[in-house]
Amino acid sequence: ETGVTQTPRHLVMGMTNKKSLKCEQHLGHNAMYWYKQSAKKPLELMFVYNFKEQTENNSVPSRFSPECPNSSHLFLHLHTLQPEDSALYLCASSQGRQSRYEQYFGPGTRLTVT
Amino acid sequence: SQELEQSPQSLIVQEGKNLTINCTSSKTLYGLYWYKQKYGEGLIFLMMLQKGGEEKSHEKITAKLDEKKQQSSLHITASQPSHAGIYLCGAALMEYGNKLVFGAGTILRVKS
Repeated sequence: ETGVTQTPRHLVMGMTNKKSLKCEQHLGHNAMYWYKQSAKKPLELMFVYNFKEQTENNSVPSRFSPECPNSSHLFLHLHTLQPEDSALYLCASSQGRQSRYEQYFGPGTRLTVT
Repeated sequence: SQELEQSPQSLIVQEGKNLTINCTSSKTLYGLYWYKQKYGEGLIFLMMLQKGGEEKSHEKITAKLDEKKQQSSLHITASQPSHAGIYLCGAALMEYGNKLVFGAGTILRVKS
């Protein structure tokens, strides 16, 4: 419905696993974002891509590795995560990087690290 | 401390009642977004306000931006169970360029 899809919707992984989150937008947008939403904390911006180029890394630990092969797809590769990384990971896209363009969000991936 | 403070943190209203949620910025803002989120799901874009004094409405939801006070209010008239969810404000702050920062959200429950 929003034009932004995320898979998987739920993921449980051990601390030694490697997994990837996928985001796809069908809106023809040029900018894509990864956000982390933890319980009782504001939404935190993690990464921003504009025209496939990373324009922002918000001091995110290296165990999170983003990849943007084209303007429609965004991945978040996960490895050796910690239990405190359990959260809802949201992908968003917007027409442009400027804040005047509203961001459209996907449904999120609920990640649990055991 | 958070750049955006939302109040109240949570709210329970009887169906049919009006309510207001506030979002106040501690820094100069030049754009304010309102989103709604069902628990554990993505954010749904409601409205964007960019000019001081701007007011927008969508169905029974009205949002206003008071640039002097660096504050926005979201008002719901005659609330319905479908209005229940988490309301988040996001703002473009002068200090952070194009990055949006978000408030912690206001949880709204509507009792039938």
